[in-house]
Amino acid sequence: DSGVTQTPKHLITATGQRVTLRCSPRSGDLSVYWYQQSLDQGLQFLIQYYNGEERAKGNILERFSAQQFPDLHSELNLSSLELGDSALYFCASSPTPANTGELFFGEGSRLTVL
Amino acid sequence: SQQGEEDPQALSIQEGENATMNCSYKTSINNLQWYRQNSGRGLVHLILIRSNEREKHSGRLRVTLDTSKKSSSLLITASRAADTASYFCATDAGTYKYIFGTGTRLKVLA
Repeated sequence: DSGVTQTPKHLITATGQRVTLRCSPRSGDLSVYWYQQSLDQGLQFLIQYYNGEERAKGNILERFSAQQFPDLHSELNLSSLELGDSALYFCASSPTPANTGELFFGEGSRLTVL
Repeated sequence: SQQGEEDPQALSIQEGENATMNCSYKTSINNLQWYRQNSGRGLVHLILIRSNEREKHSGRLRVTLDTSKKSSSLLITASRAADTASYFCATDAGTYKYIFGTGTRLKVLA
């Protein structure tokens, strides 16, 4: 158990809909990362937050947005969903803002868009 | 685009054999990490090697780093069926984000 909690574990929705994925980092970790993993693919970096502030942005679509709240949990909002958005979405946390240590991953939220 | 790319994409070996997988990256790094992912599960950190280190060991794992060639290798010795997983390298590229490679799918046959 990494200590990172992601909900929901599975989500099935239709094209055009909007969903919110939630991540609770490990206790004390201030950094949260979001990654997308499509079927049998590598991980695509989406966005990183540190203590509520956005620190780095990757290949995140304009239809996607994220935030980190004062209690450090984070949410990834996906809107106007398309079939191609079906993927595993991972959240990871680390105690530092910079890339100096390991990331602790949650078990992911599997999104299926029909 | 991917910062790191693993090679081979897939590897199948017998239990007890050694498994070697390689990672190449494009830009300067501060550190490189290796992660394991069991099918459909979250990634688990295996080992981190800093840019000023050339080799690091952890149990049956041995990682090397050649910054002049922008490459790293992960050696798993005396492999077990439980080592069956995908293995990813991740590089920081000097930024606040970790970029993962495409992964090597390792299958260890009992």
